[in-house]
Amino acid sequence: DADVTQTPRNRITKTGKRIMLECSQTKGHDRMYWYRQDPGLGLRLIYYSFDVKDINKGEISDGYSVSRQAQAKFSLSLESAIPNQTALYFCATSDYRVSNEQFFGPGTRLTVL
Amino acid sequence: QQQVKQSPQSLIVQKGGISIINCAYENTAFDYFPWYQQFPGKGPALLIAIRPDVSEKKEGRFTISFNKSAKQFSLHIMDSQPGDSATYFCAASSGETSGSRLTFGEGTQLTVNP
Repeated sequence: DADVTQTPRNRITKTGKRIMLECSQTKGHDRMYWYRQDPGLGLRLIYYSFDVKDINKGEISDGYSVSRQAQAKFSLSLESAIPNQTALYFCATSDYRVSNEQFFGPGTRLTVL
Repeated sequence: QQQVKQSPQSLIVQKGGISIINCAYENTAFDYFPWYQQFPGKGPALLIAIRPDVSEKKEGRFTISFNKSAKQFSLHIMDSQPGDSATYFCAASSGETSGSRLTFGEGTQLTVNP
């Protein structure tokens, strides 16, 4: 969905490096989410934000941090990357006043060597 | 542990056949059950969703069947087409977060042969 963009789309990094994944949206939605996708495990919620001042941990927040710089921007950071953080990462948005539907970005494939 | 269990992991169907994917959940507070469809290289997109006040919802060739007592729900794809080949995820959430905190199943990779 072009309304939700993620950068970079692919990233290879080394163990111990700090890395930031960025998400921007033009949908005007207040809620934003970060998920990781692993084969056989589906999508798991890392963090979610209901607005700029409301950030919540998901099921697997250990090793990750987030920043909601503006309504339209939500960044995910790995302070010290480790190999088991190799995964496909998705950002999503929603407007709960309209529906529960979440709109996903195209994903970032992260490889930690 | 996985609160939403999905099966099968993969499914191969002939064109024109019926594809059936099943999900079971544990949390009785769940009250919103969507199915997402994901094509290779893309993010998931909402396909169809149901709330537990109805037992079935149909949109075109896609139907959700919901069994509240068994804590199970399923996706049926009628007249399956090669363009339906994708990964399908069931999910669930509760009203406590207005449906925002989704718990996903493991995913089913569907292949529809021509």
